[in-house]
Amino acid sequence: ETGVTQTPRHLVMGMTNKKSLKCEQHLGHNAMYWYKQSAKKPLELMFVYSLEERVENNSVPSRFSPECPNSSHLFLHLHTLQPEDSALYLCASSQTAGEKFYTFGSGTRLTVV
Amino acid sequence: AQKITQTQPGMFVQEKEAVTLDCTYDTSDPSYGLFWYKQPSSGEMIFLIYQGSYDQQNATEGRYSLNFQKARKSANLVISASQLGDSAMYFCAMRAKTSYDKVIFGPGTSLSVIP
Repeated sequence: ETGVTQTPRHLVMGMTNKKSLKCEQHLGHNAMYWYKQSAKKPLELMFVYSLEERVENNSVPSRFSPECPNSSHLFLHLHTLQPEDSALYLCASSQTAGEKFYTFGSGTRLTVV
Repeated sequence: AQKITQTQPGMFVQEKEAVTLDCTYDTSDPSYGLFWYKQPSSGEMIFLIYQGSYDQQNATEGRYSLNFQKARKSANLVISASQLGDSAMYFCAMRAKTSYDKVIFGPGTSLSVIP
């Protein structure tokens, strides 16, 4: 266990479904991140939250909607996804947004059918 | 623009041997940090080692060392005495001030350790 927990580990959803990915950390970190890892592509930063405020949205389609209700929890709400959105979604946290060390979760393997 | 290149999509190494994973980077920022992460089949990204652009000495962490050649913009990871548990994807990453401290990742190298 890294200290960053992601649920579910695996998710299969249809293109018309609505689902949410959850990330939880109890490391006392103030910054949290969503990354997307597609096959044969580098990790792509999606969102950055610092002290519960979104500080970066990396041109992510609106069908991905992040939510950070407190510094320990981060959600990624999904709706009307496309098959190309199938990927491993990784959550990470760090002490601050400028901190060099990230702690990653194990990821959610998402398959859109 | 910041960029990380890892030219070896897959590598094999005999158990107990050393292996070098290549990483080159591109940035115009004088202040940056370089990282290596390991991703086993379980999916989580595990931080291995960090090198700051102003660090005088190459970073070492146990069996991991970073061969930092600033003029060549390379930051190769050396794993000594490979173990079967080292089989995983390895990602080189960089954070630079001009990229708003975002960590960008290379495409990764798949390492397989052979018994």
